[in-house]
Amino acid sequence: DAGITQSPRHKVTETGTPVTLRCHQTENHRYMYWYRQDPGHGLRLIHYSYGVKDTDKGEVSDGYSVSRSKTEDFLLTLESATSSQTSVYFCAISLRNGELFFGEGSRLTVL
Amino acid sequence: GNSVTQMEGPVTLSEEAFLTINCTYTATGYPSLFWYVQYPGEGLQLLLKATKADDKGSNKGFEATYRKETTSFHLEKGSVQVSDSAVYFCALALMNSGGYQKVTFGTGTKLQVIP
Repeated sequence: DAGITQSPRHKVTETGTPVTLRCHQTENHRYMYWYRQDPGHGLRLIHYSYGVKDTDKGEVSDGYSVSRSKTEDFLLTLESATSSQTSVYFCAISLRNGELFFGEGSRLTVL
Repeated sequence: GNSVTQMEGPVTLSEEAFLTINCTYTATGYPSLFWYVQYPGEGLQLLLKATKADDKGSNKGFEATYRKETTSFHLEKGSVQVSDSAVYFCALALMNSGGYQKVTFGTGTKLQVIP
């Protein structure tokens, strides 16, 4: 079974500070994704990766950057957090036929 | 572009009632269709899927049939339980020219089942 670990699970930070969320997978899945979940919006794709050092933007990428230096790790960085980035962030990997396997989420609060 | 529309919630049902959550989609091509469920405090998990027209996905008493003619994938369960209380997301996935599976989600429907 695929395994995904997100860290931290909860974080409270102040506006203007940098924040990095980490997603770690235990198997060598090529595609990894970062989504944010907000009431009334469902899940929206921030960035995705299709291999080491290969990343691309999703529909809500402004204010976010990502890096993937190893197959198993996909990092999401908020260079200067804003209150509009308060959300629950989910990492996912692609299994087959578009099926996604999700991590447990990281709840970020920006004060 | 691709889109998924699902019924607004919350949906409140009594235990053992029949459940239908409507989902319709717009897509260029032939997507795979999914229902995901999210229990409180958890991530999304796959509930069922269908990869081509007329396929029926089923799991844990839930069913959904891929209807190409009506571009729909409605979720049904004959008798809901309190433990089915969760948020349900309809989604579609389409392979693009680069080999990437682009996944589009609906906004989710919250189901509350009362004893």
